[in-house]
Amino acid sequence: TQLLEQSPQFLSIQEGENLTVYCNSSSVFSSLQWYRQEPGEGPVLLVTVVTGGEVKKLKRLTFQFGDARKDSSLHITAAQPGDTGLYLCAGWFGNTGNQFYFGTGTSLTVIP
Amino acid sequence: DTAVSQTPKYLVTQMGNDKSIKCEQNLGHDTMYWYKQDSKKFLKIMFSYNNKELIINETVPNRFSPKSPDKAHLNLHINSLELGDSAVYFCASSQDTWANVLTFGAGSRLTVL
Repeated sequence: TQLLEQSPQFLSIQEGENLTVYCNSSSVFSSLQWYRQEPGEGPVLLVTVVTGGEVKKLKRLTFQFGDARKDSSLHITAAQPGDTGLYLCAGWFGNTGNQFYFGTGTSLTVIP
Repeated sequence: DTAVSQTPKYLVTQMGNDKSIKCEQNLGHDTMYWYKQDSKKFLKIMFSYNNKELIINETVPNRFSPKSPDKAHLNLHINSLELGDSAVYFCASSQDTWANVLTFGAGSRLTVL
């Protein structure tokens, strides 16, 4: 059983298009992080959200934490080829051994 | 200077062999982890150590044995390798055990033939 489901699993879009990636769970997170992983590398942290309803922006990336802290979304505006990679959400439940549970991943390809 | 470095980057071996992957972090972090990423890119925690002490041991076959000689190093030894062990293994570290940023190494791709 996957604790965090991401959708879509794969996404291929043209440069300049917008996209949204979703991370959903039936459980409540204490905090949630988004990572990006490029081929041959480890995941790199993009953002951490803690408060329900929180919105954070990182240049063309907008991250939102659901009001109930069970879901999150990542929106990319005007995607660029450099955005290509595997996007992973990771939830921390705070009372389950102090570990992050990673989502199922979304593989994004931005075509020039 | 790489923050979290793991070696080797690639490892190809036969079934039944024993192999080790080494990890070192120079961030001064207290907590280190081993994660396994399968062919579907799912990342699952295997072990976590805090100041050389094992704090998380997920359901992992006992053929996998982590060892932390000091808080900057966490090595992974695998006995009697099986085909299903083929994956990318990531070492990571964090300041401590409380919901901190995970800094990952570049991964070690293990292929068991």
